[in-house]
Amino acid sequence: DTGVSQNPRHKITKRGQNVTFRCDPISEHNRLYWYRQTLGQGPEFLTYFQNEAQLEKSRLLSDRFSAERPKGSFSTLEIQRTEQGDSAMYLCASSSTGTLPNEKLFFGSGTQLSVL
Amino acid sequence: GDSVTQMEGPVTLSEEAFLTINCTYTATGYPSLFWYVQYPGEGLQLLLKATKADDKGSNKGFEATYRKETTSFHLEKGSVQVSDSAVYFCALSFIIQGAQKLVFGQGTRLTINP
Repeated sequence: DTGVSQNPRHKITKRGQNVTFRCDPISEHNRLYWYRQTLGQGPEFLTYFQNEAQLEKSRLLSDRFSAERPKGSFSTLEIQRTEQGDSAMYLCASSSTGTLPNEKLFFGSGTQLSVL
Repeated sequence: GDSVTQMEGPVTLSEEAFLTINCTYTATGYPSLFWYVQYPGEGLQLLLKATKADDKGSNKGFEATYRKETTSFHLEKGSVQVSDSAVYFCALSFIIQGAQKLVFGQGTRLTINP
């Protein structure tokens, strides 16, 4: 168990550029979540995958955001035409199939995005 | 909508002091309640949880009791240590589409001085 891995740890980009983040969940975890955390606030739910299927998306996820999880393993979160308001920590979490709500989420350390 | 309100920080205490971090929630049903902790440079970790009214969650000397009548889930520890310095998040969850969707409070930064 190597934990949830997120890359890169930090990303600085100019407004209008596209960025992509990657999340590698714990091996064999079939549930994967993306959250966003802005400074001084708690994380906010963005989207959820069960295996390769994206089952739930928050209204926070505008059409500039797209998430994928091909083959039900790693996931990517892409932001197109970044805006300064996109600056935040993007967190990934994974869990294995278990009885809800006893499911335990494991969070990665996040990708800090700064849009200049 | 569902929400969580936490005691504003930062909170600074001396080692061995008693800790309380207040948390109240608003929800239309009966959510599960959690405390997560974020140590510097690390990811969020589950500290404790309670899934129904009057349940008490406990871990590492921390405790919290699910109070439906006051819609609260206050975090307590009898004697804090320097190593408890971290940011603490209260959260509730609902099951949606087979997933556990977490709603977090804004977090409380705790600093323990030796």
